[in-house]
Order: sequence, then structure tokens, then C-alpha cells
Amino acid sequence: SYVLTQPPSVSVAPGQTARITCMEDNIGSKSVHWYQQKLGQAPVLVVHDDSDRPSGISERFSGANSGNTATLTITRVEAGDEADYFCQLWETTSDHHVFGTGTKVTVL
Amino acid sequence: QVQLVESGGGLVKPGGSLRLSCKASGFTFSDYDMSWIRQAPGKGLEWLSKISFSSTTIYYADSVKGRFTISRDNAKNSLYLEMSNLRPEDTAVYSCAADYDRDYFDFWGQGTLVTVAS
Repeated sequence: SYVLTQPPSVSVAPGQTARITCMEDNIGSKSVHWYQQKLGQAPVLVVHDDSDRPSGISERFSGANSGNTATLTITRVEAGDEADYFCQLWETTSDHHVFGTGTKVTVL
Repeated sequence: QVQLVESGGGLVKPGGSLRLSCKASGFTFSDYDMSWIRQAPGKGLEWLSKISFSSTTIYYADSVKGRFTISRDNAKNSLYLEMSNLRPEDTAVYSCAADYDRDYFDFWGQGTLVTVAS
């Protein structure tokens, strides 16, 4: 099985914008989903199908997917956004879920 | 509220077996496909297996095919993972997750720790 490549860490000052990438060849042809996992808690879906937000998720979270890169963007970053973020997709050629390597977002 | 609570983890010797359970509440369990996912210490997430809402379709990751068996009991709102021939590299937190016949997970549990060591 393979994994999707994410940067291990992203640091951002409060009020600034954090961008987390998820890379794989031709990922733009697939639907990518994003989860937030705070320390000691279960993951929470923040973006699905590239750019849709579940009910209750702040509009500060947005997603895009094109070419070889999917991106989760967090605008006006707050201290409460500090968490691990990981991308995920369903690989239809193998009928497997595939996860990204995960990115730790640190709010300075 | 929605809850997925895993149990059954613990310390097991290499070659041993263990059965994990995941108890669901707060949603219609029988409407959801379910998966097991693990995270080894300091590592990323690894999807292991998925079972459809009616148990008619099951998928496994290559790393566990032939050693792990997923099952569910909709009457008990429960998901199971039978693990055999365990290896040290199976040491991880094992979590269950639910998806409504979609490609992403709507709900996750917090996991149960499995340690394989002599």
C-alpha cells in the first residue's frame, strides 16, 4: 500500500494562514478528505470531497485539489487549530483507503 | 451524541491472537460501513479493513490479509476485529471509524492500544 505525502510540520502565527499540502501523482483526479486530530482526541472531518465542509466546521477551513497536490487552508489561524492534520482518499484501483503521512500544525 | 468505543486491546506475545470490539451509539449503526484503522507509535495512520453495512462486502489491506478478520453484529451495534499471528509491527492504537457508504469517515473512535511483545 502507499501513503500520500504531507509536510511533517507547519508553523504559523495567530491570525495568519496555514496551508497543508497532500501530494500524489494525479491526485487531482480523486476526491480528497481532511481530518483534524487534537492530542488525545478522535479525528474530526474538516473537509470532504476536496472542498466541502461538514456542518459545524468553521469557514476558516477550506480545501482545493488539482494536478498532483491537494491543499487544506486554514485562514485566521487560532490557538485552537493546533493539531495534527491528515489527508485521505479511497483508491478505487485497489479498494483501499489511503492516508497522508500527517502534518503537525503549531501555532506560534 | 455519537460514540464509538473500542475495547479489547492489551499486551500479547508474538504469534498470539486478540479480538477487538467497537461499540457504537448515537447513530444508526446498521446504515454505516465500518473500518478499522491503526496508528503505530510515532507513525501515520494505516487503514486495515472495511466491512459494508450489511456485511456483504469486505476489504483488507495487504499487511493484514489472512491474519485479521473483520465482522459486525448490527443487532448489538458492534464491530469486531479478530487478529491472529500477531507480530511486533502490529503494535499500535487500533480505532474504528464509520462512513455512510462514502469515501470518507464521518465518525471515529479514540482507539485501543495493542502491544505485541515477548
